[in-house]
Amino acid sequence: EAGVVQSPRYKIIEKKQPVAFWCNPISGHNTLYWYRQNLGQGPELLIRYENEEAVDDSQLPKDRFSAERLKGVDSTLKIQPAELGDSAVYLCASSFRQASEAFFGQGTRLTVV
Amino acid sequence: SQQGEEDPQALSIQEGENATMNCSYKTSINNLQWYRQNSGRGLVHLILIRSNEREKHSGRLRVTLDTSKKSSSLLITASRAADTASYFCATDVGSTLTFGKGTMLLVSP
Repeated sequence: EAGVVQSPRYKIIEKKQPVAFWCNPISGHNTLYWYRQNLGQGPELLIRYENEEAVDDSQLPKDRFSAERLKGVDSTLKIQPAELGDSAVYLCASSFRQASEAFFGQGTRLTVV
Repeated sequence: SQQGEEDPQALSIQEGENATMNCSYKTSINNLQWYRQNSGRGLVHLILIRSNEREKHSGRLRVTLDTSKKSSSLLITASRAADTASYFCATDVGSTLTFGKGTMLLVSP
């Protein structure tokens, strides 16, 4: 069974440029999370989806971040425009249902220069 | 915001010794989970303990949960060099998983 797939693995962009991350969760998993992890810190939730509905986006900086989960499967996270402080690892995770074990992808390491 | 807080921040032990990490949290939870993250990799789920459970075992792992003290501990017995990683507790509050800052464990051969 394939795990959570994220792309790209690495991305370097100049500040003020847009960037997008893609996540393909495990088949059948209804819950999808996007987290941001800074060096030496734990993952911080950006948004949680239940199927195609964003049920918790309270920590998503909506002035520059957006996300979508079309048809309740794949998801994209976009930043426009990127700032230096957005440099971090962006992690996608999925779980079969709420409150159960989450499976993480390898993450996308974003560097904004 | 981060609900859980692990202690210690870093732990260095020799192979064969036991490692204990603690997690404290602030609000009522549905369950608490522990994850491991090797350097530069994604997080891997280790164990889940529900709010009505007090102790759970999985191989060399033992997790306890004290809801009255809002705390949990993860014990790794007979540690190996391969256990070197960061360990995070994650609390399930309203079906959202919230992670702590983690404990960095170094196991020396």
